[in-house]
Amino acid sequence: AQSVTQLDSHVSVSEGTPVLLRCNYSSSYSPSLFWYVQHPNKGLQLLLKYTSAATLVKGINGFEAEFKKSETSFHLTKPSAHMSDAAEYFCVVLNYGGATNKLIFGTGTLLAVQP
Amino acid sequence: DGGITQSPKYLFRKEGQNVTLSCEQNLNHDAMYWYRQDPGQGLRLIYYSQIVNDFQKGDIAEGYSVSREKKESFPLTVTSAQKNPTAFYLCASSAGETQYFGPGTRLLVL
Repeated sequence: AQSVTQLDSHVSVSEGTPVLLRCNYSSSYSPSLFWYVQHPNKGLQLLLKYTSAATLVKGINGFEAEFKKSETSFHLTKPSAHMSDAAEYFCVVLNYGGATNKLIFGTGTLLAVQP
Repeated sequence: DGGITQSPKYLFRKEGQNVTLSCEQNLNHDAMYWYRQDPGQGLRLIYYSQIVNDFQKGDIAEGYSVSREKKESFPLTVTSAQKNPTAFYLCASSAGETQYFGPGTRLLVL
């Protein structure tokens, strides 16, 4: 079965400093992986997705993630944090099989950005 | 303006009452999903539908019911059998691997 583990429940950075949100996955085959962002009381917005093409995936708002099979990781990064990046971030793996492909969500990482 | 709409934004339920959450999409997606989100947890799948007039239970379907009479609409009913309904409910749709989410409905119990 597929699963994802988000290694930090809370991350705090200063504005203008790099962001690193960590995610490890477990999969018996080549996974499809996603990062979603959720601002307070809002729905989820897709940041980026990996589907076995380039291992470095660029997303919206300056975010990117690198798929590392040897480390089973899919960490999300951004060179310089902005106040508007404060939100909750979810790492997600697609679980193939059965009647549908289901998304398996991590428990989320809450990113705080200090001025 | 394409997207997924959910209404209402906030919903209050009294003891023993059934309530229905609305989800509409104009993306022409075949598949639609309902998730429940609790604080500090990821999203959990309640029900999903791959096509009109067909739907399947997800991981936490007990106390919930759905219908899919139209492609654009996938309403979720929270029945009185759901003993802990307070949560944030998110609807999503997809035409492939990627799911797109609505803004959510927060359900509170009076």
